[in-house]
Amino acid sequence: GAVVSQHPSRVICKSGTSVKIECRSLDFQATTMFWYRQFPKQSLMLMATSNEGSKATYEQGVEKDKFLINHASLTLSTLTVTSAHPEDSSFYICSARGRRTGYEQYFGPGTRLTVT
Amino acid sequence: AQSVTQLDSQVPVFEEAPVELRCNYSSSVSVYLFWYVQYPNQGLQLLLKYLSGSTLVKGINGFEAEFNKSQTSFHLRKPSVHISDTAEYFCAVTEKAAGNKLTFGGGTRVLVKP
Repeated sequence: GAVVSQHPSRVICKSGTSVKIECRSLDFQATTMFWYRQFPKQSLMLMATSNEGSKATYEQGVEKDKFLINHASLTLSTLTVTSAHPEDSSFYICSARGRRTGYEQYFGPGTRLTVT
Repeated sequence: AQSVTQLDSQVPVFEEAPVELRCNYSSSVSVYLFWYVQYPNQGLQLLLKYLSGSTLVKGINGFEAEFNKSQTSFHLRKPSVHISDTAEYFCAVTEKAAGNKLTFGGGTRVLVKP
């Protein structure tokens, strides 16, 4: 299969600071990456879709200025949570797909963000 | 727009007993269907997928699912569960022309008891 990594796995930050989460496809070229948010005991909610070299497409209700997504290369996408607040605390999961994976998305292990 | 309903939020089951997790979807076009498993504090792992062809799909860890177009269902089954199958299970659908955006069901928590 294809492997997707995320870094960091856990991060704690103070309210008002910004946090960057990286998502990497390790053994395939990811033409599309997706960012999800998951609250405790809930399902995954798609935040945005990013295609390599173009601006991300955000889902309705997701603030693009707060959740900055950059898909700068075929193996890396980053999500920056700007001016984080406690309500941004959540589990953030990325996924990736490419020509090699077809319709299937491969998921990263997730990043637990805690804002104090 | 597509939607997914997982009818059971929790399913307790004894070890070595069979389990079925129900999933119904709503879409006006052709879809691809997926089942994922999530262990605590981890990402999602694909169990199986239906893209086309045979409606009975076999996946990893002894799981299988059957696509029923008339009932718009994609139920997941395992004939004999293990303690290690305790996890959260998500059904997901993507419309073939939807740019591969996945819509997830609410999840079913399976708790396998000894």
